[in-house]
Amino acid sequence: DSGVTQTPKHLITATGQRVTLRCSPRSGDLSVYWYQQSLDQGLQFLIQYYNGEERAKGNILERFSAQQFPDLHSELNLSSLELGDSALYFCASSVTLTGGDTQYFGPGTRLTVL
Amino acid sequence: KNQVEQSPQSLIILEGKNCTLQCNYTVSPFSNLRWYKQDTGRGPVSLTIMTFSENTKSNGRYTATLDADTKQSSLHITASQLSDSASYICVVSVGWSAGNNRKLIWGLGTSLAVNP
Repeated sequence: DSGVTQTPKHLITATGQRVTLRCSPRSGDLSVYWYQQSLDQGLQFLIQYYNGEERAKGNILERFSAQQFPDLHSELNLSSLELGDSALYFCASSVTLTGGDTQYFGPGTRLTVL
Repeated sequence: KNQVEQSPQSLIILEGKNCTLQCNYTVSPFSNLRWYKQDTGRGPVSLTIMTFSENTKSNGRYTATLDADTKQSSLHITASQLSDSASYICVVSVGWSAGNNRKLIWGLGTSLAVNP
């Protein structure tokens, strides 16, 4: 158990809809990262937050947004969903600001868009 | 362009056998290199981390090597077990150690299947 929690574990929705994925980092970790992993693909970095502020952006679509709250949990919002958005979404956390430290991953949320 | 390439893409071995996975990188400046293990449908878990000055690091039956001159790393698994079946991902940290601008470059992984 990495100490990172993600909810929900599974999510099934329809095209055009909007969903919110939630992540709670390890106790003491200030950085939260979001990744997308499509079937049989590598991890794609989406976005990083540190202590409530956006710090780095990867290949995140404009339809996607995220935020980190004062209690350090984070939410990833996906809107106008398309079939291609079906994937595993992982949240990871680390202690410091830098993206080069060891990241601890949550169990993921499997999103299925029908 | 910062890049991490892994080979082979997939590998099938028999239980009890050894295997070696390769990682070649072209990044600058190099900070450190990690190997992660990702079980199917689960989040990656860090196995080892190696800095520029380290040549070898072990974690149980996993041994990672790093050749900073040739920019190559390998992950050797000895006496494989069924539970070793997973994807093994090489991740290189790019950026100056003293700064806050380091980022991770993820390889696509090697899918390992250990058969009985």
